[in-house]
Amino acid sequence: AQSVTQLGSHVSVSEGALVLLRCNYSSSVPPYLFWYVQYPNQGLQLLLKYTSAATLVKGINGFEAEFKKSETSFHLTKPSAHMSDAAEYFCAVYPPGGTSYGKLTFGQGTILTVHP
Amino acid sequence: DAMVIQNPRYQVTQFGKPVTLSCSQTLNHNVMYWYQQKSSQAPKLLFHYYDKDFNNEADTPDNFQSRRPNTSFCFLDIRSPGLGDAAMYLCATSRVAEGNEQFFGPGTRLTVL
Repeated sequence: AQSVTQLGSHVSVSEGALVLLRCNYSSSVPPYLFWYVQYPNQGLQLLLKYTSAATLVKGINGFEAEFKKSETSFHLTKPSAHMSDAAEYFCAVYPPGGTSYGKLTFGQGTILTVHP
Repeated sequence: DAMVIQNPRYQVTQFGKPVTLSCSQTLNHNVMYWYQQKSSQAPKLLFHYYDKDFNNEADTPDNFQSRRPNTSFCFLDIRSPGLGDAAMYLCATSRVAEGNEQFFGPGTRLTVL
């Protein structure tokens, strides 16, 4: 069964600093991977997705993620944090060849705080 | 803009009083999902529809029901809400294809008094 681990339930950075949110998956075959962002009292918004094309994926709001098969990781980064990046971030996965109407497996989420 | 709409955004009900949450979509996606999300937790899938086919998660309580009268609309019915059902309820949609993402609505925050 697929599982996703997000290391660090809370990450705090200063404005302008590098953002790094960690996500590791467990799968013998590279799955489809997603990063979603959730602002307070809002739904989830897709930041980016990996679907076996380029291993470095660029998303919205200056975020990007790199798929590393050898490390079974899909960490999310942004070179310079902005106050508006403060939110909760979820990594999610479903297996390749699986139907896209199947069950997304979510990580537990990482709350990002940005200090002035 | 094509989107997923949820109404109401905030719903207050009384313990045991049935409540219905609504979701509509203009994306023409054939799959619609309902998730329950409690504070500081990941969304938990309750059930989903693939066209008219209903798929219930094994651990979804019988208290939760759903209807999908047409492609655009999907409803979540909570027959007898308990205090433990207070949560954010998220509707999502997707188009069936390899690697396609789910699109989420803004959610309905349910309070049970």
